[in-house]
Amino acid sequence: EPEVTQTPSHQVTQMGQEVILRCVPISNHLYFYWYRQILGQKVEFLVSFYNNEISEKSEIFDDQFSVERPDGSNFTLKIRSTKLEDSAMYFCASPPGPDSPWTYEQYFGPGTRLTVT
Amino acid sequence: QQQVKQSPQSLIVQKGGISIINCAYENTAFDYFPWYQQFPGKGPALLIAIRPDVSEKKEGRFTISFNKSAKQFSLHIMDSQPGDSATYFCAASRLTGGGNKLTFGTGTQLKVEL
Repeated sequence: EPEVTQTPSHQVTQMGQEVILRCVPISNHLYFYWYRQILGQKVEFLVSFYNNEISEKSEIFDDQFSVERPDGSNFTLKIRSTKLEDSAMYFCASPPGPDSPWTYEQYFGPGTRLTVT
Repeated sequence: QQQVKQSPQSLIVQKGGISIINCAYENTAFDYFPWYQQFPGKGPALLIAIRPDVSEKKEGRFTISFNKSAKQFSLHIMDSQPGDSATYFCAASRLTGGGNKLTFGTGTQLKVEL
């Protein structure tokens, strides 16, 4: 299975602090997604990113969230002022490489566990 | 209308048995239905997926059955093994004009006992 990497694996932060979560998707694909999973619950869509722009975002993705592509291979999810309810696993997802015909498949990274205290 | 309903919430199956997990959706615009397997502390791993132009897809011990008229799809795990013990999520998305964001079901915790 293609590999998506995420850092850090675990981030602990205090309420009100800013956090930046990082992801390296597969092979510079144009499509990119962020999801989150509160402990014991289902995976929820946050935002999709296509060709360096947000293409769709959920109601969870409010003004406290932002996504960027600081360079050609990395993506970041920033939470400006964290709240207790932001504690969750955050996953990035990427389609397989551009040579694959299955561009609609999404492969998930291992996730970043964010704990807000 | 964006919900995907999944059942059962948990499932215990004996080794060698068949595990069956069901999902139902409401949005008829969905046209891609993947299943993901998740182990504790790991990201969801794509297991198998189906498009609505076929009623069944099989990969090894895993089979998806799809009923377009009933808006239901299910995962069958044949010859279930202890290593299959994990949480399984169904999902749905709209590929055509939909951006392909995945809407997930609530998950099924499968335990395969010896």
